Amino acid sequence: DAGVIQSPRHEVTEMGQEVTLRCKPISGHNSLFWYRQTMMRGLELLIYFNNNVPIDDSGMPEDRFSAKMPNASFSTLKIQPSEPRDSAVYFCASSQRGLYNSPLHFGNGTRLTVT
Amino acid sequence: AQKITQTQPGMFVQEKEAVTLDCTYDTSDQSYGLFWYKQPSSGEMIFLIYQGSYDEQNATEGRYSLNFQKARKSANLVISASQLGDSAMYFCASSISSGSARQLTFGSGTQLTVLP
Repeated sequence: DAGVIQSPRHEVTEMGQEVTLRCKPISGHNSLFWYRQTMMRGLELLIYFNNNVPIDDSGMPEDRFSAKMPNASFSTLKIQPSEPRDSAVYFCASSQRGLYNSPLHFGNGTRLTVT
Repeated sequence: AQKITQTQPGMFVQEKEAVTLDCTYDTSDQSYGLFWYKQPSSGEMIFLIYQGSYDEQNATEGRYSLNFQKARKSANLVISASQLGDSAMYFCASSISSGSARQLTFGSGTQLTVLP
């Protein structure tokens, strides 16, 4: 079975540009999570969807960040405009059931560099 | 605030020896899950093992076992017969209620180095 698929693997962009990160969860998984990983702050949950509906976006840093899940097999995380402090590895993860007893399966991440 | 604590930023172990990575958690929830993930230098997050709060037995997956002590709120990972390929960052995580959702909260990680 294919795992969680993220694209692109690497993204380098200039400050002020729009960045779109993409994620395809594992088929049959009904929960999807976007995480950001930095050396300073570790792994932070940005937003979480259940059955394509955003449940908790309290981790989204500010209005420059937005996430959508138009259907069960696709999600995007958009940063507009991007800033150097957004440089990080962004992970998408999915799980099959309620988070309590179902492990998250992570994609390989997108390494974003904003210059 | 609810949190996961990993007190060992770095650990060293000799190849073929066993090693224990510590994790404590703070929750008032009755139902929760505890997870360990491995992150090698290549960056991917690999799920290793899961323990439910109501599970009587400690979880085991091959060379990995979870030493779950509910009263102490600890969920230590034990790796037996360490291999060079075990060198990686290890994260403990728990599904803990946070506001309206259950989210997976991660510790700060332990960098394990296996010495030949």
